[in-house]
Amino acid sequence: QSALTQPASVSGSPGQSITISCTGTSSDVGGYNYVSWYQQHPGKAPKLMIYDVSNRPSGVSNRFSGSKSGNTASLTISGLQAEDEADYYCSSYTSSSISFGGGTKLTVL
Amino acid sequence: QVTLRESGPALVKPTQTLTLTCTFSGFSLSTSGMCVSWIRQPPGKALEWLARIDWDDDKYYSTSLKTRLTISKDTSKNQVVLTMTNMDPVDTATYYCARGIAARTFDPWGQGTLVTVSS
Repeated sequence: QSALTQPASVSGSPGQSITISCTGTSSDVGGYNYVSWYQQHPGKAPKLMIYDVSNRPSGVSNRFSGSKSGNTASLTISGLQAEDEADYYCSSYTSSSISFGGGTKLTVL
Repeated sequence: QVTLRESGPALVKPTQTLTLTCTFSGFSLSTSGMCVSWIRQPPGKALEWLARIDWDDDKYYSTSLKTRLTISKDTSKNQVVLTMTNMDPVDTATYYCARGIAARTFDPWGQGTLVTVSS
């Protein structure tokens, strides 16, 4: 069982917006502004999409955004595109280690 | 351009020790603030952080696996090595290494190497 809780699946139509939640505790998500989000296509390595809650690495589309409230972080993808269909994982720093969420499968209808 | 590549056996027997090597380029693990982590992913399951080694040779391990893990580095070869003892079929997974950003974010990741534990 993963330390951080994510919905198993979310879906949306092209052009719509979706949000994926990531719930932890005050020891991880709530205690640090060190939440990251990764996108993983089938058979591929994860790719960093968001770091430190809301920062986008260079090259990542501005359709991806992150936020946090209390012990829950969120990833929002706006203007859904077919290429966004993938698994998404959140992670949080916690006391010299890293916790991951269980992953969310995004389906673009 | 930063790249990482994992190498090691594709198949190990139960009770054996697994040794994986991460060979990287585009950065130096002797540079202040740099680190490399190992993360694994069983087939169809979630990611699990395993271990981290910092530029100053500080080492950190997953609480649940720390008795079985050892991480080390060879700065001259740009390599990080992970050993895991007493392998079990539940350890079957794709093992990734990744560069750490301030020890809290991973970017980029290697392509991963699938390790199957079976007799």
